[in-house]
Amino acid sequence: QKEVEQNSGPLSVPEGAIASLNCTYSDRGSQSFFWYRQYSGKSPELIMFIYSNGDKEDGRFTAQLNKASQYVSLLIRDSQPSDSATYLCAVLGYSGYSTLTFGKGTMLLVSP
Amino acid sequence: DVKVTQSSRYLVKRTGEKVFLECVQDMDHENMFWYRQDPGLGLRLIYFSYDVKMKEKGDIPEGYSVSREKKERFSLILESASTNQTSMYLCASSLGAAEAFFGQGTRLTVV
Repeated sequence: QKEVEQNSGPLSVPEGAIASLNCTYSDRGSQSFFWYRQYSGKSPELIMFIYSNGDKEDGRFTAQLNKASQYVSLLIRDSQPSDSATYLCAVLGYSGYSTLTFGKGTMLLVSP
Repeated sequence: DVKVTQSSRYLVKRTGEKVFLECVQDMDHENMFWYRQDPGLGLRLIYFSYDVKMKEKGDIPEGYSVSREKKERFSLILESASTNQTSMYLCASSLGAAEAFFGQGTRLTVV
């Protein structure tokens, strides 16, 4: 059974701070990793994806991947109240079919 | 932009009814998925499809079936709705091994 683990939070940070969201996964054969943001009552929307070890930056967001440690993280710089949402880590495995396994999400609260 | 459209935003059905949830995508994606999302349990995969008339069970297929007669449309069927199927249902589509795009969700209440 593939597992993706996230701290449920809430993670509370003040406006302007760096928010760090973490995710571990169990399937060592996983190849692709995604971060989704989900506002309350809405559907998940893709923020970033990462395939290779290291960092990938997109605006205020940085995804970090360490396949040896089976660890993925998302850093949000200069956090804004509008970043308050649940962040879902998703891992794509290749066991015959490509399906995403999601973590349960970390709730982020950014206070003004 | 990819658009995944679910037929209903909110739905209330009675126990024992047959329920159809429809999903349409407009980007010619071969992969389509149905998830349900419940507090504390996260997103769980019910069924998925990689081609027309093809379907595969996900992690929680019991009580559900699916139909994919056309590439752009993927239907989830609750054969006999029960109260434990009250949930948020999310349809998604993807191209190959790329990211999945979600519809707006259907909040189903079974009474």
